[in-house]
Amino acid sequence: QVQLVQSGSELKKPGASVKVSCKASGYTFTSHAMNWLRQAPGQGLEWVGWINTHTGNPMYAQGFKGRFVFSVDSSVSTAYLQISSLKPEDTAIYYCAKDPDWGFFGWLDPWGQGTLVTVSS
Amino acid sequence: QSVVTQPPSASGTPGQRVTISCSGSSSNVGSNYVYWYQQLAATAPKLLIYKTDQRPSGVPDRFSGSKSGTSASLAITGLRSEDEAHYYCAAWDDSLSGVVFGGGTKLTVL
Repeated sequence: QVQLVQSGSELKKPGASVKVSCKASGYTFTSHAMNWLRQAPGQGLEWVGWINTHTGNPMYAQGFKGRFVFSVDSSVSTAYLQISSLKPEDTAIYYCAKDPDWGFFGWLDPWGQGTLVTVSS
Repeated sequence: QSVVTQPPSASGTPGQRVTISCSGSSSNVGSNYVYWYQQLAATAPKLLIYKTDQRPSGVPDRFSGSKSGTSASLAITGLRSEDEAHYYCAAWDDSLSGVVFGGGTKLTVL
């Protein structure tokens, strides 16, 4: 079955960087885009952006351009989210989610289990 | 502030029918498909409705989606205790060139 497994929780200091991984299985990795989303503590969902896993081309939502970088390693069916110059307000659960069909943005299925990133001095 | 608006809370008793609204604009809900997600406590969101009114396999037919103009709705019939969760709507926004989510609705089963 299709499954996305994310890396474990991270505790980082302000100014540091973090790289979250999302390993896919059960389907052809490069045939479906991968989305990244954020959920701050007690808050709703925000779309961070999307990466074309075939070409490596990313699309970032407004407000996530600059410090957020997506990448993929198709040899291990894994997508990555790297956040640099971390701020306390980046503290959140970050989810990856598969795009079932090209061009239908917002259609996310399934989701990874989430990775908690905590930024604190 | 979300560009797509949902009521923060909704409630119902077992067996009742409840609806959750998702109000947007012509650049998002009004011109694009709407998706609904269910997030149970301390778990990742799960797709409930896709392409406005389609149910993925495995989702009970108690859940249905619809849209009229710039507003969409999620209806749940035969409410059950396990439906207690947060529900989010989402759509592509042509003006923002991104996916926008509603703020979420916490459904309580009384």
